Amino acid sequence: QKEVEQNSGPLSVPEGAIASLNCTYSDRGSQSFFWYRQYSGKSPELIMFIYSNGDKEDGRFTAQLNKASQYVSLLIRDSQPSDSATYLCAPGGSQGNLIFGKGTKLSVKP
Amino acid sequence: DTGVSQDPRHKITKRGQNVTFRCDPISEHNRLYWYRQTLGQGPEFLTYFQNEAQLEKSRLLSDRFSAERPKGSFSTLEIQRTEQGDSAMYLCASSLKDIYSPLHFGNGTRLTVT
Repeated sequence: QKEVEQNSGPLSVPEGAIASLNCTYSDRGSQSFFWYRQYSGKSPELIMFIYSNGDKEDGRFTAQLNKASQYVSLLIRDSQPSDSATYLCAPGGSQGNLIFGKGTKLSVKP
Repeated sequence: DTGVSQDPRHKITKRGQNVTFRCDPISEHNRLYWYRQTLGQGPEFLTYFQNEAQLEKSRLLSDRFSAERPKGSFSTLEIQRTEQGDSAMYLCASSLKDIYSPLHFGNGTRLTVT
């Protein structure tokens, strides 16, 4: 059974701080890793993807991947109240599907 | 690109009835996925298609659930003899045919079984 583990939170950070979201996965065959953001009552929307070990930056977002440790993380710099949402980690399964974690709920306080 | 379209947006049905949902993917996407999501949980994988072929189906999925994608374009998800536990948001997503392509989600169909 492929598993994706995330701290469900809620993770609360003050506005302007760095939010750090973590994810571990069990499928060693995963080659692609996606982070989705989901606002309450809405569908997930893609915010970042990473394929290679190391860091990938896109604006205020940085994804970090360590395949040996089966660990992927998302950093959000200069957090804004509009970043308050649930963040879903989704390693790409070796069979072609995406398996999602339960998500980490982030709350950014003004 | 009009995005992934799902119909209906909401469905209320009585226990024991059959329901069918439709998904129209992004036109150039050959993969189509169905997920189910309940409150406080991440999307749970149900099944996915590449063109008209159903490539994987969750082992946790009841035999009451069936999905089709007859011409490799739109897909339908049918739930027979609905139960209250089937109440959830049913999400459809599509992608290009490779493991590096992200999924693009529709707005979902919210099912309530009374």
